[in-house]
Amino acid sequence: GAGVSQSPRYKVAKRGQDVALRCDPISGHVSLFWYQQALGQGPEFLTYFQNEAQLDKSGLPSDRFFAERPEGSVSTLKIQRTQQEDSAVYLCASSPPLWRLEPSRSYEQYFGPGTRLTVT
Amino acid sequence: SQQGEEDPQALSIQEGENATMNCSYKTSINNLQWYRQNSGRGLVHLILIRSNEREKHSGRLRVTLDTSKKSSSLLITASRAADTASYFCATDPSYGKLTFGQGTILTVHP
Repeated sequence: GAGVSQSPRYKVAKRGQDVALRCDPISGHVSLFWYQQALGQGPEFLTYFQNEAQLDKSGLPSDRFFAERPEGSVSTLKIQRTQQEDSAVYLCASSPPLWRLEPSRSYEQYFGPGTRLTVT
Repeated sequence: SQQGEEDPQALSIQEGENATMNCSYKTSINNLQWYRQNSGRGLVHLILIRSNEREKHSGRLRVTLDTSKKSSSLLITASRAADTASYFCATDPSYGKLTFGQGTILTVHP
């Protein structure tokens, strides 16, 4: 089946613009995660959804960052008034409900290709 | 902030050689995972080892975990040019909130 998809793949924004990044998880996956990856670094956790509930948003860098998943499937990460330090690759990942998994497959996450955001 | 430190930051080897990457972390974990990332692509899950396991194998991959030292290693045997990528360890305290290391860039020369 189809994997996790993200759009757009590339986004160039002028400083101060708002952007919206979309994530389509694998169908039936309950958990959805957003990560931010700066150049040359590992991904850093931003936020986590279980179905439509945002259970952890501790990684969001500021109140300019907002994420939603209103129907428990597609998620959108919105960044308001973008700044140059927001330039990064934004990765989305999903994972299935634990009850569907064999114990050895628990917690494996399936990543999308990412959206590369460049703020000029 | 990154939880883990990976060592080495970069590794260059010839095809057929083994590659070993190390990861250290700071807090208690439920499991530790290794991911691969090819340039410009998303991450691909390689292997997961639980906190009560010491060693795990998958094909040419061997992972060890030492919770007393808070460290893990990934061994890739008989490397191939296609193994060229960045490799990340990620710790999971419970429900999947992964904390990644900075990664090791592996280059395998044909």
